[in-house]
Amino acid sequence: SQQGEEDPQALSIQEGENATMNCSYKTSINNLQWYRQNSGRGLVHLILIRSNEREKHSGRLRVTLDTSKKSSSLLITASRAADTASYFCATDQNNDMRFGAGTRLTVKP
Amino acid sequence: DAGVIQSPRHEVTEMGQEVTLRCKPISGHDYLFWYRQTMMRGLELLIYFNNNVPIDDSGMPEDRFSAKMPNASFSTLKIQPSEPRDSAVYFCASSLGIFANEQFFGPGTRLTVL
Repeated sequence: SQQGEEDPQALSIQEGENATMNCSYKTSINNLQWYRQNSGRGLVHLILIRSNEREKHSGRLRVTLDTSKKSSSLLITASRAADTASYFCATDQNNDMRFGAGTRLTVKP
Repeated sequence: DAGVIQSPRHEVTEMGQEVTLRCKPISGHDYLFWYRQTMMRGLELLIYFNNNVPIDDSGMPEDRFSAKMPNASFSTLKIQPSEPRDSAVYFCASSLGIFANEQFFGPGTRLTVL
């Protein structure tokens, strides 16, 4: 079964707008990672946040983690057409890694 | 380093045939993972190795699937006999350390079983 569940399943925005994607999970985790996948390509790691962290930044990316709500969010600020991709969260629970179904982000120029 | 290398990139075969997918991890990485991605089931972890030893193969769908890692620079995923429902994109990934670290994914092998 898939541990991380992203929402929305699809998101379409205009270039320059911010995009927020959410991930929920069911059991306690050691860390949570966000990956990006361009169509027909492999996954690329974006950011890892550990269970004792609440927020991390990397360039235009901001990830938050709320372990009490078992949820995480990925914010992409000032989106660009090149950000169009699928975004997946992956949770690590006791050395068992699970990916969510992903959010398909489309950024219109 | 060239990153994780997978071959072939595309494979089309007929039901019942044996399929072998290959992966070369990033040099120095001690973990190697095989994933399968389909529209219906998303990305699933099939098996992972640590220092060439299979650690967890609970994600392998059935006995028709087998994976080996004869040395630190090479792994294979074999399907015998293949079935149409095995059609998917198969990814190999490697990392330094278990899941707490970034995984580097290969470009994937798109398998079509007719």
